[in-house]
Formats: sequence, structure tokens, C-alpha cells
Amino acid sequence: ETGVTQTPRHLVMGMTNKKSLKCEQHLGHNAMYWYKQSAKKPLELMFVYNFKEQTENNSVPSRFSPECPNSSHLFLHLHTLQPEDSALYLCASSRAGGEERNTEAFFGQGTRLTVV
Amino acid sequence: AQKITQTQPGMFVQEKEAVTLDCTYDTSDPSYGLFWYKQPSSGEMIFLIYQGSYDQQNATEGRYSLNFQKARKSANLVISASQLGDSAMYFCAMREGRGSQGNLIFGKGTKLSVKP
Repeated sequence: ETGVTQTPRHLVMGMTNKKSLKCEQHLGHNAMYWYKQSAKKPLELMFVYNFKEQTENNSVPSRFSPECPNSSHLFLHLHTLQPEDSALYLCASSRAGGEERNTEAFFGQGTRLTVV
Repeated sequence: AQKITQTQPGMFVQEKEAVTLDCTYDTSDPSYGLFWYKQPSSGEMIFLIYQGSYDQQNATEGRYSLNFQKARKSANLVISASQLGDSAMYFCAMREGRGSQGNLIFGKGTKLSVKP
């Protein structure tokens, strides 16, 4: 248990569906991230929020829409996805600012998404 | 160009023996942090060890140690006395810049299998 919780753990959705992934952390961190992990590829950073403000969007298609209502919660809204979007989506949080040490990211267990 | 290179897609080690997982990195930033994560089949990324670019000594955490060779830009992970529970994917990651300003960039990972 790392303190970062993701729901749901598994999700199967059609290409016309709309769904949301949820991430919650109670570690007092103020940076949160969405990563995509596809088979045989490095983890891809999708979005970064620092102090609830989006600071990074790595050319992610608009069918992925993040939301960070507060520093403890992060959502990823999904709509009209493609089969190639099937992957493990990992949420992470870390302490932002200050010393470099102790800035490791803590990850949730991920949501295994399958688009059919 | 890849920032983090892990050249070993898969490794085998006998239980109770030591194993070294390779990682090389590429950065022009004088300040950076290097991280190793373990990902078991459950999907969660577990932080193992951290090495700062200005650290004089190699980092150690229990059975994990980091062989940091700055001139070669390598940060190999050494696991001593391997256990069956060490079987997992292992990812090397780097954060550039002071503090937590940079984002974590991951390598492709190495799959470690521990044989009884």
C-alpha cells in the first residue's frame, strides 16, 4: 500500500463510451501525474499537475481529458477512445518543490483499460 | 535520443545470488536524480532506491545498492541475495533539474526472473 489509490482496477469500454479513471492520494503531496504503460514501451508521461495547475501535457490526444479538483484527487476522463489506447494507466504523486531528495513518485496500482 | 537506456530486456538469477541490472542515462543537466522502481505482476510501481547527482557515495537500501558511475553515466542496480519475490519488472528513471522541477523519465525496463 503506497497511499495512492486508483479506481477502477480494470475497465472495458467501447469506442463510443465515456468513462473516468480516479486517483486519490493522502500523502500530502502536491504534484500528481498520469502515465500510460503499453506493452513493450517505456512509461509515457501524459499529464502533470503541480499545486492543482496543469504544468505538462505531452501531446496527448484530446480524447483524454484530465481534471484535478484538489491536490488529493486526479481524474482522467475518457471519450471516443481507440483500441490502441488499451494500456495500463498509472497515477502517481510526489512532493513538489524543495530538496531533490525525497521527491520520488508514489504510484497507484493502475487501471488496466481495454478498449473494444 | 533516449534519456534512459536499459539494455537487458530479461535477466535470470539463481535464488540467493546477486544480480546487476544495467541503466545508462543521458543528460546535460548537472543536477539530476536517479531512481529505481520495481513493478510486480500486480502492476504497482514500487520505489526502491534513489541516487542524487551530487551524492559522493553510492546509495544503499537493504539488499539494494546503486553502482553510480557518473563519468560513464551509468546507475546500475545491484540486488544481493536474490529472493523469489524479487521476480518482477525493474525500471530505471531520471528526474532532471533541481528539486522536483523535472519530470520522471523511465527506461523500458528489465524483467528479472529468480530461479529456485
